[in-house]
Amino acid sequence: NAGVTQTPKFQVLKTGQSMTLQCAQDMNHEYMSWYRQDPGMGLRLIHYSVGAGITDQGEVPNGYNVSRSTTEDFPLRLLSAAPSQTSVYFCASSLSRQGMNTEAFFGQGTRLTVV
Amino acid sequence: ILNVEQSPQSLHVQEGDSTNFTCSFPSSNFYALHWYRWETAKSPEALFVMTLNGDEKKKGRISATLNTKEGYSYLYIKGSQPEDSATYLCAPSRGAGNMLTFGGGTRLMVKP
Repeated sequence: NAGVTQTPKFQVLKTGQSMTLQCAQDMNHEYMSWYRQDPGMGLRLIHYSVGAGITDQGEVPNGYNVSRSTTEDFPLRLLSAAPSQTSVYFCASSLSRQGMNTEAFFGQGTRLTVV
Repeated sequence: ILNVEQSPQSLHVQEGDSTNFTCSFPSSNFYALHWYRWETAKSPEALFVMTLNGDEKKKGRISATLNTKEGYSYLYIKGSQPEDSATYLCAPSRGAGNMLTFGGGTRLMVKP
């Protein structure tokens, strides 16, 4: 039972490079989201999706792009990496139906360093 | 952006002590309140999802209460053990999209 799978676990980028963080879930969850975790700041929402073909911005969306072509996958793209994007990134998924509010399942995280 | 505050930021206790943390959040447009346990080098794991005012949930030695009218939730740990050492996160959600806004967390360290 894989749950939420993130790749890669670690990545070092040079300023200006682009890359995609992958996130896949096998639980048929409608809702998926990306967070970044910085020291002393908790988890902050970057982008989220309530279903295939639907995405929206969270609290800190600048410099990131997302798409949701399938229910299973929700990749996060860094368009032009900056040192301020050095962080640990978590992908999460949950069931999301009207009237229900269910726990989020998190991936194992991607530690990104931009030099 | 919701303002979610957790206190204290960190807490050191001895094994066997009972402890509690607070999560404060805006009471307007409340949908649900989540608690997560986050161990170092691991992913956050859900403890509770609470929706009703006055709700109380329990899992082993950990329990939580919810006051939606005044916008706060308490997490209690009875008889803390070293394996309880972790960061405890709360997050209110808004709407059917389950969009969570996390507090900064309470870091608990339990000394043997």
